[in-house]
Amino acid sequence: DQQVKQNSPSLSVQEGRISILNCDYTNSMFDYFLWYKKYPAEGPTFLISISSIKDKNEDGRFTVFLNKSAKHLSLHIVPSQPGDSAVYFCAATLGWGKLQFGAGTQVVVTP
Amino acid sequence: NAGVTQTPKFQVLKTGQSMTLQCAQDMNHNSMYWYRQDPGMGLRLIYYSASEGTTDKGEVPNGYNVSRLNKREFSLRLESAAPSQTSVYFCASRAPRAYEQYFGPGTRLTVT
Repeated sequence: DQQVKQNSPSLSVQEGRISILNCDYTNSMFDYFLWYKKYPAEGPTFLISISSIKDKNEDGRFTVFLNKSAKHLSLHIVPSQPGDSAVYFCAATLGWGKLQFGAGTQVVVTP
Repeated sequence: NAGVTQTPKFQVLKTGQSMTLQCAQDMNHNSMYWYRQDPGMGLRLIYYSASEGTTDKGEVPNGYNVSRLNKREFSLRLESAAPSQTSVYFCASRAPRAYEQYFGPGTRLTVT
């Protein structure tokens, strides 16, 4: 039973525009959420995270929004750059421990 | 710091063969994890070790065994490989009281 879902397998966006990646979860006990970025033939790298007690966290071009009532989080990338082309995974955890990952969204940034 | 290293990078096995995937981290992290990544499935936890001397099953442990050799090293063993174990395997580690995990570059395993 997949508790973290990324329903869009792919996203194409023009360079300079905003990329919005979405993630839904079913377990209301999750208390921390993370986004990872993955290039081909490499391991995932941590991008940004948010605690369940917050609704927004920003780091440079990356902002994560959390809507607990909807059990939904999103990652905004503004402006999108060619180097942002990668697979993005949403993950959730209960305490310091195991991460539950979504299936990933492939982002392609076009010139 | 090398971070998390994994060997080998690629491996082809025949059904029934065994092999051990090696993982080491130099960040002095207590917790270590093994995941597999399959198309459309995200990363699924196979086994983890919360600290040296302990191991626990994750979401998909069948067909695998692990050994936490010391604080740095956490190995994953396939005793009798099956085609269903064709996947990319990632090792990760995590510092105490931190949420983010740091991943190695992965091992691409094909079982024919």
